[in-house]
Amino acid sequence: DVKVTQSSRYLVKRTGEKVFLECVQDMDHENMFWYRQDPGLGLRLIYFSYDVKMKEKGDIPEGYSVSREKKERFSLILESASTNQTSMYLCASSMDRTSTDTQYFGPGTRLTVL
Amino acid sequence: AQKVTQAQTEISVVEKEDVTLDCVYETRDTTYYLFWYKQPPSGELVFLIRRNSFDEQNEISGRYSWNFQKSTSSFNFTITASQVVDSAVYFCALSDPQGGSEKLVFGKGTKLTVNP
Repeated sequence: DVKVTQSSRYLVKRTGEKVFLECVQDMDHENMFWYRQDPGLGLRLIYFSYDVKMKEKGDIPEGYSVSREKKERFSLILESASTNQTSMYLCASSMDRTSTDTQYFGPGTRLTVL
Repeated sequence: AQKVTQAQTEISVVEKEDVTLDCVYETRDTTYYLFWYKQPPSGELVFLIRRNSFDEQNEISGRYSWNFQKSTSSFNFTITASQVVDSAVYFCALSDPQGGSEKLVFGKGTKLTVNP
């Protein structure tokens, strides 16, 4: 079974703090994704990566950056957290770029920025 | 631009009722994939089904069934004899393999509540 884990289920931070959300997958998947989920807006793609050290912007990258130093790990960084970044963050992975493979999701991190 | 519409925001049924969740999509591509995910209260999105645009056969998996109709751009999901454990938010999603990326476009979800 595919296993995608996220470092925290719940996180509370203060405005202006630098925040790291970590995601690890154990299936040697090439692609990894970060989404945020908000009521009434559904899931929106922030960034994705199809290889180590590669990244591409999704639909809402502003205020975020990412890091992929190892194939299994994809980090989402909030350089200076703001209250409008309070949200549920979901990480996903899929096999490779050659076909549209299923994305498998982690349990999510519910981030509150005070 | 691709779009997925789940017109039903919330549905409430009584246990053992059948329920259908609607999904309508828009795409100009001839090759695409459709997905359904379940998000229980715990928060994790659970993959249910993946269907490519060339396979219009209906699929049944236990109490779950899916009806894919290209003529109406719909990919509806039916739960037969619903159970309380089916209570969740269900998302329909569309991908575009020809776009050179692996992005999924999600609908806004339908919250299903199954009451005992």
